[in-house]
Amino acid sequence: KNEVEQSPQNLTAQEGEFITINCSYSVGISALHWLQQHPGGGIVSLFMLSSGKKKHGRLIATINIQEKHSSLHITASHPRDSAVYICAVSYPQANDMRFGAGTRLTVKP
Amino acid sequence: KAGVTQTPRYLIKTRGQQVTLSCSPISGHRSVSWYQQTPGQGLQFLFEYFSETQRNKGNFPGRFSGRQFSNSRSEMNVSTLELGDSALYLCASRGAGLYNEQFFGPGTRLTVL
Repeated sequence: KNEVEQSPQNLTAQEGEFITINCSYSVGISALHWLQQHPGGGIVSLFMLSSGKKKHGRLIATINIQEKHSSLHITASHPRDSAVYICAVSYPQANDMRFGAGTRLTVKP
Repeated sequence: KAGVTQTPRYLIKTRGQQVTLSCSPISGHRSVSWYQQTPGQGLQFLFEYFSETQRNKGNFPGRFSGRQFSNSRSEMNVSTLELGDSALYLCASRGAGLYNEQFFGPGTRLTVL
């Protein structure tokens, strides 16, 4: 079983829809990361959070430490949001990251 | 500030050969991490260097090695290439502080024939 589980694996939405991607992890972490990967491979770090909620533009990330669960929300989705969204965790005293399998999001106009 | 750069961007090698990939971190960043991404295994951590020292290593065979220079530029080397080493190799740099955000480079796509 992967240490980091994401759902759904694939997601297709119509432009303007509200999108939620979920991530759960199995052990205590120091931080949770949401990454975005566009075709071609480049990865952009969207959020790093250890508690609560963060917002950047139309993107919102939340984390519940007790439930070991995080969500990434995209409001008013747009075709340019189409990408793979990857959840990753980092652990105390370790400098590596463990990654979920990713959620492939397609937003249709 | 320039981002993380990786060279080369694409590489084709044959089985048994060795390869060296290069990563230049964001200016001022002393931590460089390397990751392998394959369709089957997803993203996996290879190793991290900080101030020329390997600070952490993932679960990869000894054919995978790396180093970091005094200017924080890092190289990773894969010897005796296997078909399964075909992957996108990503490096990321981080500023001071264990919990700082990582910035990823564009990756090197290695194909082993």
